[in-house]
Amino acid sequence: SQTIHQWPATLVQPVGSPLSLECTVEGTSNPNLYWYRQAAGRGLQLLFYSVGIGQISSEVPQNLSASRPQDRQFILSSKKLLLSDSGFYLCAWSADRRNSPLHFGNGTRLTVT
Amino acid sequence: DAKTTQPPSMDCAEGRAANLPCNHSTISGNEYVYWYRQIHSQGPQYIIHGLKNNETNEMASLIITEDRKSSTLILPHATLRDTAVYYCIVRVWGTSYGKLTFGQGTILTVHP
Repeated sequence: SQTIHQWPATLVQPVGSPLSLECTVEGTSNPNLYWYRQAAGRGLQLLFYSVGIGQISSEVPQNLSASRPQDRQFILSSKKLLLSDSGFYLCAWSADRRNSPLHFGNGTRLTVT
Repeated sequence: DAKTTQPPSMDCAEGRAANLPCNHSTISGNEYVYWYRQIHSQGPQYIIHGLKNNETNEMASLIITEDRKSSTLILPHATLRDTAVYYCIVRVWGTSYGKLTFGQGTILTVHP
């Protein structure tokens, strides 16, 4: 069966520090991968998605970037964190089929101080 | 993607059926209806999806009206662990490769 792993579960970082969140998927190949963010009291916002290695699409301009160095690895990064980057970051995957649902990881709660 | 409208909150007694409505009056022919739920501090959990036929799985049933403008998620025997935010999402396979656009959802509270 397929599983998705995200780490760390929680993270506290100072303003201006770098960020690297990692997500890996097991049990499938060539998945579509997604990064979402949920700010406190707000809905989920799609940040990035990827349909293959090295292929990244950004949904909103921001202080973050994403990379997909391997088929089942998706990384969210920032060179310098802002206070507004605080939130709950969720990675998700889906099979590349028309009606395939997204499956989410357990998320990383990031607090920028 | 078509927009959805859900009540902000609902209550249900434990052991009773929970019926969560969703309006999607602008849905088009190639758009699916998906339901997810999110328990506090966890990632969203996929529940069920459908195009035009009613669907049932081990978690829930999805009833879609004939004109497809609305749907109802049914949890047949709600438990306290079903307390969560429930999201109804209409999704088309377009340039964003089937991305999900989440709204505010319905907060379902199951009471003892």
